[in-house]
Amino acid sequence: DQQVKQNSPSLSVQEGRISILNCDYTNSMFDYFLWYKKYPAEGPTFLISISSIKDKNEDGRFTVFLNKSAKHLSLHIVPSQPGDSAVYFCAALGGGGADGLTFGKGTHLIIQP
Amino acid sequence: DGGITQSPKYLFRKEGQNVTLSCEQNLNHDAMYWYRQDPGQGLRLIYYSQIVNDFQKGDIAEGYSVSREKKESFPLTVTSAQKNPTAFYLCASKEVEGVNQPQHFGDGTRLSIL
Repeated sequence: DQQVKQNSPSLSVQEGRISILNCDYTNSMFDYFLWYKKYPAEGPTFLISISSIKDKNEDGRFTVFLNKSAKHLSLHIVPSQPGDSAVYFCAALGGGGADGLTFGKGTHLIIQP
Repeated sequence: DGGITQSPKYLFRKEGQNVTLSCEQNLNHDAMYWYRQDPGQGLRLIYYSQIVNDFQKGDIAEGYSVSREKKESFPLTVTSAQKNPTAFYLCASKEVEGVNQPQHFGDGTRLSIL
């Protein structure tokens, strides 16, 4: 039973445009959400996070939005750059179980020139 | 530079053998974690430790064992009881102090069965 879902395995966006990556969750006890970026054969790199008491957090080109009532969060990247091409993982913490993160399966973002 | 070091990068194991993956951090983080990633999947939690000499099972602990004798080290042993050990293994750490700290990851060890 997947508690964190990223329903788009891949997303293609033109360079300079906005990339929007989506994530849904089912466990209402999650209280902290994170986005990680991952290149092949490397570890995930932390991008941005948001606490459940907020609905938006911004860091440079990256903005995360949280809609608690819909159990949905999204990552906006604007403008998209070639170096943004990677797999992006949504993760959540605080689901009432172990202290580790619960991850989605990832979305492969491809930035086209 | 501060960071998390996983070694080796690639590891091969014969069936029936135990193998130990190394994870060292010099970030002075209290908490450390082991995850497993399979192709097309997200990361799944194997074990975690919030303090020296203490660790807890994660979602998929069967066939694995860990120790936490030092703050900076959290080795993972993949035992012969693990039925499908071929995977990409990732170690992470984070600060415990403060509210909602992100986990930071090493670059992983890819384990393959010969």
